[in-house]
Amino acid sequence: DAGVTQSPTHLIKTRGQQVTLRCSPKSGHDTVSWYQQALGQGPQFIFQYYEEEERQRGNFPDRFSGHQFPNYSSELNVNALLLGDSALYLCASSLEQGARGYTFGSGTRLTVV
Amino acid sequence: AQSVTQPDIHITVSEGASLELRCNYSYGATPYLFWYVQSPGQGLQLLLKYFSGDTLVQGIKGFEAEFKRSQSSFNLRKPSVHWSDAAEYFCAVSGGSYIPTFGRGTSLIVHP
Repeated sequence: DAGVTQSPTHLIKTRGQQVTLRCSPKSGHDTVSWYQQALGQGPQFIFQYYEEEERQRGNFPDRFSGHQFPNYSSELNVNALLLGDSALYLCASSLEQGARGYTFGSGTRLTVV
Repeated sequence: AQSVTQPDIHITVSEGASLELRCNYSYGATPYLFWYVQSPGQGLQLLLKYFSGDTLVQGIKGFEAEFKRSQSSFNLRKPSVHWSDAAEYFCAVSGGSYIPTFGRGTSLIVHP
């Protein structure tokens, strides 16, 4: 039973570019949440997708957007990249919007230069 | 708003010694509480969680945590630390929205 799968594992982008990160949830999970983890910090909640809609959002600008597909997989898009967007981006899947806890992927390490 | 404080940025212990990592939370109602572990370059693995019931929670890898409402704490303990326990440990709290808020983490260093 595969857990949460994220791709790519590492990515280097230039300031101003756009990036798309992908996440496949654990089998049987219907909810996907995205977190940003800067170096030396705890994960910060970006947003959560359930039934293909953004259900909750953290304190992140509109440059951060997402999508959930009918098969529950999800994408995180970041436009107009800034140096400060360099971080580990974690995807977490769950059932019923997280009522029973979350399973995290290994993350995508994004470096903006 | 909910929040978590992990007062210790780094903790150093000798292999075989006992361990306690501190976590204090802020939330207006009964919280859901979690401890996660993160090895370098990896995602987060759930060690244990508290939703309700017995305030002493047993987790994986020999860890346990105790919910103390009067102290707003959820400290993580292990009686005997192994070198493989060296990692970053995160405490998290959530409420009715089920969205966990994480602390900044405690780095555990284990000396042989």
